[in-house]
Amino acid sequence: DVKVTQSSRYLVKRTGEKVFLECVQDMDHENMFWYRQDPGLGLRLIYFSYDVKMKEKGDIPEGYSVSREKKERFSLILESASTNQTSMYLCASTAGLAGYNEQFFGPGTRLTVL
Amino acid sequence: QQPVQSPQAVILREGEDAVINCSSSKALYSVHWYRQKHGEAPVFLMILLKGGEQKGHDKISASFNEKKQQSSLYLTASQLSYSGTYFCGTTTGTYKYIFGTGTRLKVLA
Repeated sequence: DVKVTQSSRYLVKRTGEKVFLECVQDMDHENMFWYRQDPGLGLRLIYFSYDVKMKEKGDIPEGYSVSREKKERFSLILESASTNQTSMYLCASTAGLAGYNEQFFGPGTRLTVL
Repeated sequence: QQPVQSPQAVILREGEDAVINCSSSKALYSVHWYRQKHGEAPVFLMILLKGGEQKGHDKISASFNEKKQQSSLYLTASQLSYSGTYFCGTTTGTYKYIFGTGTRLKVLA
């Protein structure tokens, strides 16, 4: 069974802390994505990566960075967490041409920044 | 700019039909539909591609009007399991998705 896993389901951090969210997929997919999901706003793309060490900004990259050192792993980094980054974070992956293939989502990480 | 979904929410009785619409201001390469149940990850339903190709579940139907940049998802003879939030995701190229704000659907017994 194909899987996208995320390191934590729930995370509580303090303002100013550096936060790492990890995502691993076991499907050998080229493309990986980070979204944040907020009520009424749907899923908004933060960053995506179409190959190892490659990254592209999405629609809301401010305050975030990413790392992809291995094909199966895509990390989202909050350099200095702020309360407005409290949200549900979803990772996804897809094969080949992303517009042509379905995305597989992880279970999400609910991050609370106090 | 995010595609606009309508309606924002709908309540049905089992066996009733529903249509969820997705409209974009940009020319689209593909439209994707996903359903998310509370507390769970979004699950793929269907892809509709420019040119008419479709990929997805046999029990789900949808349409894609390329000229109008619109897609509709048709849920017929709804079941309790259809409850959830439906998202359309659009692509204008080969990598980047933009998702709509979602349509909450509740099916009552």
